[in-house]
Order: sequence, then C-alpha cells, then structure tokens
Amino acid sequence: AQKVTQTQTSISVMEKTTVTMDCVYETQDSSYFLFWYKQTASGEIVFLIRQDSYKKENATVGHYSLNFQKPKSSIGLIITATQIEDSAVYFCAMRASGGNYKPTFGKGTSLVVHP
Amino acid sequence: EAAVTQSPRNKVAVTGGKVTLSCNQTNNHNNMYWYRQDTGHGLRLIHYSYGAGSTEKGDIPDGYKASRPSQENFSLILELATPSQTSVYFCASGEGLGVYEQYFGPGTRLTVL
Repeated sequence: AQKVTQTQTSISVMEKTTVTMDCVYETQDSSYFLFWYKQTASGEIVFLIRQDSYKKENATVGHYSLNFQKPKSSIGLIITATQIEDSAVYFCAMRASGGNYKPTFGKGTSLVVHP
Repeated sequence: EAAVTQSPRNKVAVTGGKVTLSCNQTNNHNNMYWYRQDTGHGLRLIHYSYGAGSTEKGDIPDGYKASRPSQENFSLILELATPSQTSVYFCASGEGLGVYEQYFGPGTRLTVL
C-alpha cells in the first residue's frame, strides 16, 4: 500500500525567501510518479510539478523545484523568492506509473508568506 | 485549458435523503476521481474510474456509489446521506496524451442536516 506523509502542518516565512516543504512516501512499486499540488484560500486545487521516479534530475517549473532523494523516499518542494500569493496549502501525492492508477495524497502543509 | 466542472456547488440535504453530485470534464482524460476534504484529513479518495462504465473503490468508499456513464461524466451518489458525510467534495480528471497529473474541479460543499 502507498503512503504519503507531510510532517510539517504549517510554515511561516518572509516574502522573497526560500522555503522547503518535506514529503516522504512509501510504495511497493518500482516505478512511480510524485506530484505537488497547491490549494489556494478560495479552495482551488492546481497541479504544480511532477517527478518521475526513474529520472535522476530534479524537476523545475518556474520558481518551484524538487529535491528528490530516492534512497530516502523523499520528495521535497522548494519555492524560491516566495511571494505573498504563494500562501496556500501544498499537497504531496503519488501513484504507481503503471497498472494501478490509484493516487495517494498527504495531508498538506500550510504556507504563510509574510510581507 | 483543462476544464472540470461540478454541480451543484453547494448542497444542503436531509439525513436519509439521496444526494447526487455531478462532475463533467472536457479534457478527454481517461480517469476521473472523487475526493472528500475535511480539516485534518487532507484529500481522501472515495471512488475513481478508468473510463466509461468503470468504477473502482478508493480508500473510503463506504456510504458512496459512483457512476461513469461516459468519458466526460462521473457522478457520486449518496443513497442515504448522513451528517458524517458533510464535507467538501472534489472531482478530478487525469491520464491521457502524456498527462499524468490531475485537474480538479472547484468543489461542492455538502451539508447534511
């Protein structure tokens, strides 16, 4: 069975700084996808970034990047030069890359960016 | 732009009544999902579907049924609603043409009195 754990329930940072959100996962599958999603205060949930387990390079999209440490089953989200609008809840998720498409989400980390 | 819509956006139901939540996607994605979100629990998967005619149980399927009559539509059915099913429900679509992530609808706030 898959499991995704986000131990940080909330993080508070100052604007323009860099923040890292932690996520560890458990899976029996040898090939899988890891995702990060953002939920804004309005409730909207949007996909941010994906890491394929077979790729050694960390994924980067805009000011979001990942710190993928496969031996530690860890996929951290790094946000550089944070902005007020980055304040949101961030969810880590995973699913196997073949066969069973059942996704598993973590409980989320709330980020507050202060001016 | 990917599009997932849900109806109704808000619903008040009575205990024991039947509730149907509807979801439509115009992404031509193969898979669709229903989640509920409660404080402290994040997103929990109720049912999902690989395509028209298929439904699969998620992590918390008890008290819920699902129906996927077409590629575009996926419904969540509460035959006998209970107050414990008061929550915010999200539908999502995903998979197809190199898409592995999910696109979420705006959510439905359900209150069961």
